[in-house]
Amino acid sequence: AQSVSQHNHHVILSEAASLELGCNYSYGGTVNLFWYVQYPGQHLQLLLKYFSGDPLVKDIKGFEAEFIKSKFSFNLRKPSVQWSDTAEYFCAVNSNSGNTPLVFGKGTRLSVIA
Amino acid sequence: GAGVSQSPSNKVTEKGKDVELRCDPISGHTALYWYRQSLGQGLEFLIYFQGNSAPDKSGLPSDRFSAERTGGSVSTLTIQRTQQEDSAVYLCASSLALPGLGTDTQYFGPGTRLTVL
Repeated sequence: AQSVSQHNHHVILSEAASLELGCNYSYGGTVNLFWYVQYPGQHLQLLLKYFSGDPLVKDIKGFEAEFIKSKFSFNLRKPSVQWSDTAEYFCAVNSNSGNTPLVFGKGTRLSVIA
Repeated sequence: GAGVSQSPSNKVTEKGKDVELRCDPISGHTALYWYRQSLGQGLEFLIYFQGNSAPDKSGLPSDRFSAERTGGSVSTLTIQRTQQEDSAVYLCASSLALPGLGTDTQYFGPGTRLTVL
């Protein structure tokens, strides 16, 4: 069965600390990979996605995620977190062969303290 | 343009009552998904509509749950004879779902928080 594991339930970091959130998946076939973020009081928003090509994907706020096929992983990183990064982060996967439902990890709550 | 909208934002009901939750997808999106977010269970897939195809109901937890999508746009999720374990946030997502394109992004609505007393 398809599954996504997020290793950390709750991570607490000080501002400017580096962040790495683990995500491993079990899914037969070629996959799409996603990180979604849910800020307090807001709805789920797409943060990063990987479909094909360069396995390192980045966004303008400094987040990056690397797809390592041999490890079935798609870890999320940020070199220096800010208080505004406090949120819940969800890793998700679906099949690349068609439009299919997402399988989500249970989420990691990130708390950034001043 | 507008994102995915859902109504109501909050619903409190008594055990045994039926509820209907509504989702308006992004205009032009042909795929529509329902998920449930509950404590301890995370985000779970419920049902998926793609164009005029028969929906994928494989995630529905019981026959008390059903959904329809009228005119290829608005969708309604119905829960009959609600139980306390149905309490959760029900999320709707839509995607463009171009034919033959397996790389698609799902955009989520704000959800409906259902509380069953």
